[in-house]
Amino acid sequence: AQRVTQPEKLLSVFKGAPVELKCNYSYSGSPELFWYVQYSRQRLQLLLRHISRESIKGFTADLNKGETSFHLKKPFAQEEDSAMYYCALSLYMIYNQGGKLIFGQGTELSVKP
Amino acid sequence: EPEVTQTPSHQVTQMGQEVILRCVPISNHLYFYWYRQILGQKVEFLVSFYNNEISEKSEIFDDQFSVERPDGSNFTLKIRSTKLEDSAMYFCASSEARGLARGDTQYFGPGTRLTVL
Repeated sequence: AQRVTQPEKLLSVFKGAPVELKCNYSYSGSPELFWYVQYSRQRLQLLLRHISRESIKGFTADLNKGETSFHLKKPFAQEEDSAMYYCALSLYMIYNQGGKLIFGQGTELSVKP
Repeated sequence: EPEVTQTPSHQVTQMGQEVILRCVPISNHLYFYWYRQILGQKVEFLVSFYNNEISEKSEIFDDQFSVERPDGSNFTLKIRSTKLEDSAMYFCASSEARGLARGDTQYFGPGTRLTVL
């Protein structure tokens, strides 16, 4: 069965410290992975997707198929990074059908001054 | 930048009543989704919709649930007879069809908090 696991419910770091939010997935097909962020009382927003291989707000994530992981990293955390972070796996389907997202439990990142 | 909108932001209803949650997807998007998040739990897929029909639905999406695109802009989720366990945040999402086999980025609405008493 397809599954996304985020082992940490809460991650608390000090400003300027490195951050790594863990995400592991279980999927036998070719994965398409995303990180979504939800700031306080706001909507889920796409942070980054693995096929883009881009860095957004200083965050990066590398797909490691061997370890089935897609950890989110940032070298120096900022207070404004405090939010809920969700890792999601897209199960894309055949043409003309959209792919549902399977979400992890979410990790709350708290960056202290 | 265009956004997905949802109304109402909060709906309170009595058990057994029907509710309709409304969503306006981004205008050029063709795939639509509903997800829900029970307090303290993960975001769960309910249903996907394309070309005026359901593409896929989860086990949660039973006969009490239905979706509709009544006009060119709205996308609705109806719960026929609400139960206490339907209390959750309901998120609508939409994505753009690119003609690829892969799923495209889904853009989420702000959610409707449904409280069933």
